[in-house]
Amino acid sequence: QQQVKQSPQSLIVQKGGISIINCAYENTAFDYFPWYQQFPGKGPALLIAIRPDVSEKKEGRFTISFNKSAKQFSLHIMDSQPGDSATYFCAASKGAQKLVFGQGTRLTINP
Amino acid sequence: DAGVIQSPRHEVTEMGQEVTLRCKPISGHNSLFWYRQTMMRGLELLIYFNNNVPIDDSGMPEDRFSAKMPNASFSTLKIQPSEPRDSAVYFCASSPANEQFFGPGTRLTVL
Repeated sequence: QQQVKQSPQSLIVQKGGISIINCAYENTAFDYFPWYQQFPGKGPALLIAIRPDVSEKKEGRFTISFNKSAKQFSLHIMDSQPGDSATYFCAASKGAQKLVFGQGTRLTINP
Repeated sequence: DAGVIQSPRHEVTEMGQEVTLRCKPISGHNSLFWYRQTMMRGLELLIYFNNNVPIDDSGMPEDRFSAKMPNASFSTLKIQPSEPRDSAVYFCASSPANEQFFGPGTRLTVL
């Protein structure tokens, strides 16, 4: 019940396209859902996060969509750029402390 | 701000040796986390501290692993004795509240 399932494992998108990564969770006690971006050789960095009291949060080209009833949330990257090529992790926790991470999605944006 | 500092960045050791990984969190952050990242298991939380006190060590894989935080500016993760299956990238992260700031990681190879 602590798992967060992330898909797809890898994704290739053309420059300017929309990248979509999906996550599903089981634990209804989770109340914090962040997305992290990781470049090779670096630690993960927070990209955007959402609480379950809203269904969508947008920051620039990045949007989280949250479906509480389905226990799913997704990351949309609009106008994807080669610089967005990285590994993306969704995560979930109760209280933002003990994060449970998805397995990661390796995103490649082709120029 | 220098961010979270980890040392060493790379460590190669032989099976049975003691390994100590070090972390200096961002000043003013009251929570510190140790993670392990592998291809097979992804990002796993090992242990976290609040105000230098260990809160949850349920992710520590075995008694061979131990972590300390003697003061607000320093933490160690020790593996004794090390085994080849401990080979991974170990991340330290610190947090003032919700967002966790990750260090660059220590790549550990146990031969």
